Amino acid sequence: EPEVTQTPSHQVTQMGQEVILRCVPISNHLYFYWYRQILGQKVEFLVSFYNNEISEKSEIFDDQFSVERPDGSNFTLKIRSTKLEDSAMYFCASSDRNGREQYFGPGTRLTVT
Amino acid sequence: SQQGEEDPQALSIQEGENATMNCSYKTSINNLQWYRQNSGRGLVHLILIRSNEREKHSGRLRVTLDTSKKSSSLLITASRAADTASYFCATDALNNAGNMLTFGGGTRLMVKP
Repeated sequence: EPEVTQTPSHQVTQMGQEVILRCVPISNHLYFYWYRQILGQKVEFLVSFYNNEISEKSEIFDDQFSVERPDGSNFTLKIRSTKLEDSAMYFCASSDRNGREQYFGPGTRLTVT
Repeated sequence: SQQGEEDPQALSIQEGENATMNCSYKTSINNLQWYRQNSGRGLVHLILIRSNEREKHSGRLRVTLDTSKKSSSLLITASRAADTASYFCATDALNNAGNMLTFGGGTRLMVKP
């Protein structure tokens, strides 16, 4: 069964550094998303992406964040100048042309020290 | 309560018993989805129910939706120890341009063997 994959599974970075989290959505899906979950808190929406542009973003998704689909398979989240409070599990998700069911990857645990 | 709030927050049952988890939300929705998350792992999509549906089944799962009360329930029948996980409801609000899902805080289910 097709799955969303994410790399790396765990990323440790120092405050102020830039990180790129990578995702490979399910191959025939058209909608892509990033969510995050701070330890012990709710899953929060960051951004949705369709047709090579951002379709919606939350207040969390400020100028520190950017997304890109550099080729036909990858979908990346870049976090510039990381802060301690960026430490969280980051989930990528994708959905098909109907945009309904969203299938999540296993997540990347980001630890900012 | 906020959009997509589950109750109870925690539920402990014996194997073989049924588990019922409830979710309430505030705004009108396109659909509501239930996810499972094992500790520290990714979100597994369980079932989606559309706003014009009242009940849906998938294996041992039964989901109901009452749009007049803005609530949904997830019933797991004949529970197994492997069902131990956190369960989240997530709503896709009406007029949502980017398919953003809003998650609740989850119900932590423990099934004792």
